Amino acid sequence: GDSVTQMEGPVTLSEEAFLTINCTYTATGYPSLFWYVQYPGEGLQLLLKATKADDKGSNKGFEATYRKETTSFHLEKGSVQVSDSAVYFCALNSGGSNYKLTFGKGTLLTVNP
Amino acid sequence: EAQVTQNPRYLITVTGKKLTVTCSQNMNHEYMSWYRQDPGLGLRQIYYSMNVEVTDKGDVPEGYKVSRKEKRNFPLILESPSPNQTSLYFCASSLSPSVEQYFGPGTRLTVT
Repeated sequence: GDSVTQMEGPVTLSEEAFLTINCTYTATGYPSLFWYVQYPGEGLQLLLKATKADDKGSNKGFEATYRKETTSFHLEKGSVQVSDSAVYFCALNSGGSNYKLTFGKGTLLTVNP
Repeated sequence: EAQVTQNPRYLITVTGKKLTVTCSQNMNHEYMSWYRQDPGLGLRQIYYSMNVEVTDKGDVPEGYKVSRKEKRNFPLILESPSPNQTSLYFCASSLSPSVEQYFGPGTRLTVT
């Protein structure tokens, strides 16, 4: 079945540091890939997505590239801010007749001033 | 405003007392689903619904029921709650599972 593996947290960075959160997946077919963010006390919201190989999703300074050869979708940001402190989830839907969404376990990011 | 609403936001109950968590969306979405979030386990899908009257199990359906009589509503029913169902629950909706999911604010359930 489908699965998503993301790096264990928590991740603690200083403001303006470079961020990478690794995400790899196992899926049938050609999945759509997502990064969701959950700010403290809130529901999840979509951060970015990619629907085919080599697509790059980007939003709010975050980027992730769909790498089919390495089955990865790593999240990056060049300079994090305190306001980026949140839990980040990698997720996929393998499409076709598969109507399930599969999430990773989440990575807690804390950015210190 | 486009949104997914859940009620109640917080609930403390006792083992065996039936409860329902409501979920409603105003975006005319076909796809709706329920998730539970637990520390160290991330987000796991309980049930999903592709459209009215069509529902199917996610990864952790045991102990839960759902119904989809109207497109906008997708209640989660716990017929006989147990302490291992203490969790944070999220409802979500979208046009399809392969596009952006819109999440509700969450319901924190404690079963004693």
